[in-house]
Amino acid sequence: GAVVSQHPSWVICKSGTSVKIECRSLDFQATTMFWYRQFPKQSLMLMATSNEGSKATYEQGVEKDKFLINHASLTLSTLTVTSAHPEDSSFYICSARMGLGTYNEQFFGPGTRLTVL
Amino acid sequence: KNQVEQSPQSLIILEGKNCTLQCNYTVSPFSNLRWYKQDTGRGPVSLTIMTFSENTKSNGRYTATLDADTKQSSLHITASQLSDSASYICVVSANTGRRALTFGSGTRLQVQP
Repeated sequence: GAVVSQHPSWVICKSGTSVKIECRSLDFQATTMFWYRQFPKQSLMLMATSNEGSKATYEQGVEKDKFLINHASLTLSTLTVTSAHPEDSSFYICSARMGLGTYNEQFFGPGTRLTVL
Repeated sequence: KNQVEQSPQSLIILEGKNCTLQCNYTVSPFSNLRWYKQDTGRGPVSLTIMTFSENTKSNGRYTATLDADTKQSSLHITASQLSDSASYICVVSANTGRRALTFGSGTRLQVQP
């Protein structure tokens, strides 16, 4: 099956610093990648959608200057949390999609736990 | 507004017992419905995916049903195991250009020995 990896799996940083999270599709080319945020005991909340080579589309309420997304290739997307604050502490999950197809399947990464001190 | 509601919010069962999780949705136009299992601290893993014309699909001890008329789905787990302890998320995809996904809040299942 399609595999999506994330790196790092967890990160602790000081308030005010920036953190970069990588999302890779290991055995397929992802035309679209998605970034989600999940708070404890809540479901996934879509932050942004990115297509390779174009600007990401952000969901309402998500600051594009704070959460920088780069989708430079068909197998790699990065999310940079700039000037992180404690309220940015969360579980960040990416997913990747090959194409629309019949099922519009998204394959999820294992997630990155971000803790901002 | 597209919504997916799941019940119960949480469930505790004994190992070996069966259980059924419910999902009601109002997503339109409907494309497909999927159930995911999410272990704590991990990303969701797909269990089943069903389109409009499919009303039941099995994956080992997991069996999902779909009633597109009443917009309801269920996930039945047979002979539960301790490793089934996880959150189970119902996700519905809309048949629009963006193919946006609407996530349920999940059912947290705990299987006890």
